[in-house]
Amino acid sequence: EVQLAESGGGSVQPGGSLRLSCEASGFTFRTYWMHWVRQVPGKGLEWVSHINTDGSFTDYADSVKGRFTISRDNAKNTLYLHMNSLRAEDTAFYYCVRSLGQVAYWGQGTLVTVSS
Amino acid sequence: QLVLTQSPSASASLGASVKLTCTLSSGHSSYAIAWHQQQPEKGPRYLMKLNSDGSHNKGDGIPDRFSGSSSGAERYLTISSLQSEDEADYYCQTWGTGIQVFGGGTKLTVL
Repeated sequence: EVQLAESGGGSVQPGGSLRLSCEASGFTFRTYWMHWVRQVPGKGLEWVSHINTDGSFTDYADSVKGRFTISRDNAKNTLYLHMNSLRAEDTAFYYCVRSLGQVAYWGQGTLVTVSS
Repeated sequence: QLVLTQSPSASASLGASVKLTCTLSSGHSSYAIAWHQQQPEKGPRYLMKLNSDGSHNKGDGIPDRFSGSSSGAERYLTISSLQSEDEADYYCQTWGTGIQVFGGGTKLTVL
C-alpha cells in the first residue's frame, strides 16, 4: 500500500524557516517524480514544487521561487521541502504527492502557520 | 497561459447523476487532465487521469460510478448514483513544461 507521511509542520514567525519531510513507503520511491502542493484552509489547491527521480531537476511556483527548496533522499525514501523567508501567505496545509500526471497518491498533509 | 476553469459549485440529488466540467484554456485543448476529490476535512484523493480522447485511468478503489469524458477543450467528470459521501470538492489538474496547474475546484452538494 502506497503511503506518504508528511511531518515538520508547525508555527513559525514571519521571516523564519521550516523543513518539511515526507516519508514514502509501499512503492519504489526512486522511480517517481514527487511534488509538494499546498492549500490555504478553506481555499483551493496550489502546486508548489516538483522534483525528478534523481533530484537533478526541480521547478517551483513563482510564489515560492527563491525561498523554497525541494530535495529528496532516495536512500531514505524521503522528500523534503526547505522553506525560508516565510510569509503569512505561506500559511497552509502542505501535501506530499506522488506523480501528478500519472496515477497520483496524496499524503495526509501537514499544517504550516506563519504568524507573529 | 495554461489555465483550468471550473464552476465553483454544483448540486444534485441523492441517487441522481451529475456532470462536472473543467475547461482548458485556449491552445491547450489536447492536454490530458486529472481529477481529484477532497471530502470535508480530508486530504485530496486521486480519481482519474483523463485524456483528450476520453480514455481514462482510474485510481485504486475508485468506484465505477465515477467516469470521465472529453469534448474539445472540455473535460468532464460524471458521477452516477450519487451517494452522500460524494459531497466533496472536485479539482481538475493538468501539467505543462515545468508547471502543474489546478482548477479552482467545484464544490458538489448532494441534496
